[in-house]
Amino acid sequence: DGGITQSPKYLFRKEGQNVTLSCEQNLNHDAMYWYRQDPGQGLRLIYYSQIVNDFQKGDIAEGYSVSREKKESFPLTVTSAQKNPTAFYLCASSISTESPLHFGNGTRLTVT
Amino acid sequence: AQSVTQLDSHVSVSEGTPVLLRCNYSSSYSPSLFWYVQHPNKGLQLLLKYTSAATLVKGINGFEAEFKKSETSFHLTKPSAHMSDAAEYFCVVSDPRYGGATNKLIFGTGTLLAVQP
Repeated sequence: DGGITQSPKYLFRKEGQNVTLSCEQNLNHDAMYWYRQDPGQGLRLIYYSQIVNDFQKGDIAEGYSVSREKKESFPLTVTSAQKNPTAFYLCASSISTESPLHFGNGTRLTVT
Repeated sequence: AQSVTQLDSHVSVSEGTPVLLRCNYSSSYSPSLFWYVQHPNKGLQLLLKYTSAATLVKGINGFEAEFKKSETSFHLTKPSAHMSDAAEYFCVVSDPRYGGATNKLIFGTGTLLAVQP
């Protein structure tokens, strides 16, 4: 079955450590996205990539980094510079940037 | 500027009764509008979308939404709630100035729907 796989489902880290969240898709989609979800708020775009080897900052990119070396993969690194990293992170993909989003099941990151 | 407001953060209905989740948008242009559903600890799933064709849009699982330009609303309805409908629902608007680009989506803050037996 085609879909988006995010791993791990739950992730715990100590403050000051970088952590990388995995996102893999086998939908053959060109565009991929990372969103952050906090309670009582809508989703906020962190980074997106329209094509391999290209990515753009979203609305809240500070403290995050990404890479897009392969079409299927779009890992997100939460760096120690991110002041409030505890959140639910959602990866999504779409055929193009005008097509609806398909979401993974998310990674819940807790930093203490 | 584009914006979207979900008027209720929580809605509770009894199984078998109608569902109404309210969404108002603000846009200087004719936007594209979407409803997504999120079950606990899951990603979002597209329920339906409006892209300037028919104003009454039918989605999956018996949901539908009506685009009312005069009221700047895009409310989500379902005639009869089922227990499996309990989830969080997001109204989303995209800015047509950007060709409806997905990276320009604006998400509402969500409405949590509870369905009582």
